[in-house]
Amino acid sequence: GESVGLHLPTLSVQEGDNSIINCAYSNSASDYFIWYKQESGKGPQFIIDIRSNMDKRQGQRVTVLLNKTVKHLSLQIAATQPGDSAVYFCAEKAAGNKLTFGGGTRVLVKP
Amino acid sequence: DAGVIQSPRHEVTEMGQEVTLRCKPISGHNSLFWYRQTMMRGLELLIYFNNNVPIDDSGMPEDRFSAKMPNASFSTLKIQPSEPRDSAVYFCASSLFGNEQFFGPGTRLTVL
Repeated sequence: GESVGLHLPTLSVQEGDNSIINCAYSNSASDYFIWYKQESGKGPQFIIDIRSNMDKRQGQRVTVLLNKTVKHLSLQIAATQPGDSAVYFCAEKAAGNKLTFGGGTRVLVKP
Repeated sequence: DAGVIQSPRHEVTEMGQEVTLRCKPISGHNSLFWYRQTMMRGLELLIYFNNNVPIDDSGMPEDRFSAKMPNASFSTLKIQPSEPRDSAVYFCASSLFGNEQFFGPGTRLTVL
């Protein structure tokens, strides 16, 4: 089936700097996208979502950008903190309730 | 709200034994999902239910895996017989009307 970014790259960022996590998706029919954060030993935790009729959505310290032309999704974290260290997953949804998850990006925050 | 509840949190069993994982979704949610997470394959959807009815089980690896949802507040994922390659973290998630899914803490399964 369709897949979303199967690699697990690592992003090292200095505390206080901004982080940008990228995700490429492959299903042009996807109309809903979610970013999840997973800390060690825990389940994925919802961060922010965006629908395909939008190209930007902001939350608390986080911004998601959607570029449907190139099928690209990004998560920006402002003023990255040690508690932001985790694996971040993007997920896409086309028809039905099924989410397809990417392979994840590990974020390491250096003090 | 207690969130999605899964039990047990850890399970160690021997090859050939039956394993049953349990999930209680968030009250009022109408969709329930079972996922498996491994280092090699990432997070994979096994099966999901809408209103207690299985909708898509295309991710279930083989006939050794089965899932049931007898009511809106309970679901099980059963592996019989279990094999070492089934070792993984199994997550249950629930959602309301196809919006964001809320995940449980997972069950770490080790099959020796």
